Amino acid sequence: DIVMTQGVLPNPVPSGESASITCRSSKSLVYKDGKTYLNWFLQRPGQSPQLLTYWMSTRASGVSDRFSGSGSGTYFTLKISRVRAEDAGVYYCQQVREYPLTFGSGTKLEIK
Amino acid sequence: QVQLKESGPGLVQPSQTLSLTCTVSGFSLSSYGVIWVRQPPGKGLEWMGVIWGNGNTNYNSALKSRLSISRDTSKSQVYLKMNSLQTEDTATYYCARDQTGDYWGQGVMVTVSS
Repeated sequence: DIVMTQGVLPNPVPSGESASITCRSSKSLVYKDGKTYLNWFLQRPGQSPQLLTYWMSTRASGVSDRFSGSGSGTYFTLKISRVRAEDAGVYYCQQVREYPLTFGSGTKLEIK
Repeated sequence: QVQLKESGPGLVQPSQTLSLTCTVSGFSLSSYGVIWVRQPPGKGLEWMGVIWGNGNTNYNSALKSRLSISRDTSKSQVYLKMNSLQTEDTATYYCARDQTGDYWGQGVMVTVSS
């Protein structure tokens, strides 16, 4: 199985600052079509996960352009610009390159 | 609009079988897959399996021997059945659209306890 390893944030992050969340995969997530099969989700307290980006860097419908995904085949970053109180929660990366699909353990973001 | 809603028993006894239903609207099960994901209290997300638009399935190998996912396209419903439940299966169970997970249900909390 592909193992997804997420970094830790130096919480809390002051409102208005930027935050970068890292994720590493044990195997390249680049498929033969050239796309990188990596999703990012935000789970706010008491809510279901919400898709932020897919194919590593494509924002989901309705997601603010303050969220941007980037990376290589095995190392990925979700950058959140000008963080707001509503950005607080746990962020998960997920590989959808091969089965079983696997999630990272989550990175908690707290806002000051 | 696209919606998914999970339903099922909140309490299941150990060794029994869990049966959950995901009722969808706003899209066709013949065109989109549906995944199941669970989350133990205070812990992370675990992908359980998927049923594709063509009816094919893929399962988490750790659960494969106990898990079955099926559907009824005429009812717009997807079913999850998992047998031999143990206390560690206590979790919130979610269904979501497609492996992208662009839409999720609100989840259903299942407690395994006698």
